[in-house]
Amino acid sequence: AQSVAQPEDQVNVAEGNPLTVKCTYSVSGNPYLFWYVQYPNRGLQFLLKYITGDNLVKGSYGFEAEFNKSQTSFHLKKPSALVSDSALYFCAVGKGWNAGNMLTFGGGTRLMVKP
Amino acid sequence: GAVVSQHPSRVICKSGTSVKIECRSLDFQATTMFWYRQFPKKSLMLMATSNEGSKATYEQGVEKDKFLINHASLTLSTLTVTSAHPEDSSFYICSAPVGGLNEKLFFGSGTQLSVL
Repeated sequence: AQSVAQPEDQVNVAEGNPLTVKCTYSVSGNPYLFWYVQYPNRGLQFLLKYITGDNLVKGSYGFEAEFNKSQTSFHLKKPSALVSDSALYFCAVGKGWNAGNMLTFGGGTRLMVKP
Repeated sequence: GAVVSQHPSRVICKSGTSVKIECRSLDFQATTMFWYRQFPKKSLMLMATSNEGSKATYEQGVEKDKFLINHASLTLSTLTVTSAHPEDSSFYICSAPVGGLNEKLFFGSGTQLSVL
């Protein structure tokens, strides 16, 4: 069975500082990893994915994530946080990358960026 | 981008009643839709996969008779919580894939169900 862990319920960071939202996973075979963001009163939005290739993945809104196979991690990062980045972030692992394959989500991490 | 509309956004009902949640793909056709349930401070849990024109596929532990799913058209899937109880209170989210890749998975804005 696959699983995803986000060890922090909330991450607080000052605007302009770098941010990291942690994610570790457990899956048999090759991992297909995703980050989604959920803004208040809106649906989840795709940020980025790792399927194969470079360990550093760049996504929307200046976010990036680093795939670390030895540590089974896929931490989300941004060099300089914005107040508008405040939202709920979900890490997810997929059974495959075809539509019809389902995602297992982490518990979510609330990011609070203070001015 | 594609839009998935979910309605209602919030519903309060009495125990024993049934509640229907709609999920519509507004500008694309969705042969498949996914229904998730989100508990407070918990992960999104996949409940079922809704398939247009055929029976839904339920995840282990999800009661089929409790959570009725109908996907009668390419743009509409419904989730009906039958004989709702307080423990059914939760946040329900639908999603629909666009294209062939998981990253093009568009989510509805969710429905907060409160059963009194």
